[in-house]
Order: sequence, then structure tokens, then C-alpha cells
Amino acid sequence: ETGVTQSPTHLIKTRGQQVTLRCSSQSGHNTVSWYQQALGQGPQFIFQYYREEENGRGNFPPRFSGLQFPNYSSELNVNALELDDSALYLCASSLTGPNTDTQYFGPGTRLTVL
Amino acid sequence: AQRVTQPEKLLSVFKGAPVELKCNYSYSGSPELFWYVQYSRQRLQLLLRHISRESIKGFTADLNKGETSFHLKKPFAQEEDSAMYYCALRRYNQGGKLIFGQGTELSVKP
Repeated sequence: ETGVTQSPTHLIKTRGQQVTLRCSSQSGHNTVSWYQQALGQGPQFIFQYYREEENGRGNFPPRFSGLQFPNYSSELNVNALELDDSALYLCASSLTGPNTDTQYFGPGTRLTVL
Repeated sequence: AQRVTQPEKLLSVFKGAPVELKCNYSYSGSPELFWYVQYSRQRLQLLLRHISRESIKGFTADLNKGETSFHLKKPFAQEEDSAMYYCALRRYNQGGKLIFGQGTELSVKP
């Protein structure tokens, strides 16, 4: 059984560009959540996908969007990057219903916006 | 609004000393509370959740609804306990969204 994986590990972009981050769920998990962790802060919930449908969204603008695929892997897309988007982006997967199960975190993607 | 507060950014203790990492929350309903831990160069992982009422690695946490607290305790700290600790809250029927505190860095000195 493999754990949650994320790619790329690090990414450097310039302001105004677009970025796509990827997450592979732990085997058998059908729910993926994305979090943004700024330096020195706790993770902040961006959104969650359950069986390919968005199932909850945090206080992030529409330029943050996502997808979940039939194999339950997921993408986070951020358009029109801003300097404040520089952060560690974490995805977490869980099994069965989104309200009940432990979220298992990936190692994160470190995004730097210049 | 729901909020989780961890008042200490850094807690430094000596090996063998008791440890208490504080967590307070604000939420009007019935929350589910968690402690997550991140060891150096490792990913964030669940340490314990209040509904399990279990002790993990010697750590325990009791939900006190009257004081809206979920403090993490260990009677005798070990050097390997040094890590970042995050308290988190989840509301039911909110898509499993976790609300995290800012984290407390625990440093256990020999």
C-alpha cells in the first residue's frame, strides 16, 4: 500500500503565471483535501473532492480550482499567481465518507512565487 | 467563526519533564478534535483524536467542552518527542474540513 504522493516537490513561478499541482491518493482512498500552509502557520483548508465532486471549500478565491479523476488522484490549479501564494501545498486523502475518516497527508509541494 | 488557538509557538522542556501543549477552540456546535504531529523531515501525521480516547506514544488529550480546550499532555517527555504539533478541529457536515491552529514547536532537551 503506497502513501499519498505529491508532485512536483518544489516549484518556482513568477507573478501572473498559472500552476498545476498533483496528488495521488493513498490506495483505496476516495476523498482528497487540499491545504495551503504559509511559513510559520498551520495548514488552511482550500477545498475537498469526494468521488470527483467538490465537497466543501475554504475561503480561497475562484482562481484556486481543482479536479479529481476517476482513479481519485487530484490536481490543484492556481491562476494569476500572486506573491502571497508562496506556500507549502498539502494534499490529504481519506477513505470512505469525508466526515468520518482520518486524513493522510502527502509531503507537500513548495511553491515560490517571484 | 470556528477557530483553533495554540498560544505557545515554542515549548522547551528537559527530558523526563511533563509536557502540556495547549489548544483552545471556538465552535458553537459539537466539534471533533485532533492532534497532528510533524517530525523533522516527515509529513504531517495524526497523533490522536478525541473520540478514540486513546494514548499514543504516551500522549493523551481530553476534550473539555466547558473550557473549550483540548490540551495535549505527556507525563515524561522524551527527546524523540521534539516536533511541531498542530491542534485541529473538524465540524460535522462540513466536508471533513480541518481547521488547524498555528502549531507549537516542542523541543525536548537532554
